[in-house]
Amino acid sequence: EDQVTQSPEALRLQEGESSSLNCSYTVSGLRGLFWYRQDPGKGPEFLFTLYSAGEEKEKERLKATLTKKESFLHITAPKPEDSATYLCAVQAPGGTSYGKLTFGQGTILTVHP
Amino acid sequence: GAGVSQTPSNKVTEKGKYVELRCDPISGHTALYWYRQSLGQGPEFLIYFQGTGAADDSGLPNDRFFAVRPEGSVSTLKIQRTERGDSAVYLCASSLGQGGVETQYFGPGTRLLVL
Repeated sequence: EDQVTQSPEALRLQEGESSSLNCSYTVSGLRGLFWYRQDPGKGPEFLFTLYSAGEEKEKERLKATLTKKESFLHITAPKPEDSATYLCAVQAPGGTSYGKLTFGQGTILTVHP
Repeated sequence: GAGVSQTPSNKVTEKGKYVELRCDPISGHTALYWYRQSLGQGPEFLIYFQGTGAADDSGLPNDRFFAVRPEGSVSTLKIQRTERGDSAVYLCASSLGQGGVETQYFGPGTRLLVL
């Protein structure tokens, strides 16, 4: 069974204080690893898809990296507007579970001005 | 363009009642997904449609839950004899449905409260 574990559960940063969020996964044949951002009362908003170990993607202050066992979301010089819950998800290898995403529990990020 | 829309945004019902939750996917997306998100948790997969058919319903918790997509566009999640444990945010997502690894785009969710 696919498993995704995110750490820490919550992270409080000062504006400008860089840090990283971790996503550890266990899946029989990774097809894709996704990062989403979720604001309170809203649905998840897509950030990145990573497909293979060694891949990196960047968007503004965010950079996502992938190894064979985990992914990191690096946040450089965060701003208060980066405060949100960040969700990691993996896609199943195929068969009847094609398309299904398995999510971690999320990391709640709070950035103080 | 319009994103995924869900109605109602909030639903309060009494234990034992029947509810229907609606999802309008992004135009042209043939794949549609339902997830359930409890407070403090990540979304949990319920069911996946490719076109009109349910390709994977392995996440439906029991036979009180049922979903349809009769014309391959709008989908309805139906919950019979609701229980307090069904209270959660029900999220719908859609993707192109062309195969491979596709981005799923989520709607705002329906917040269901069973009293």
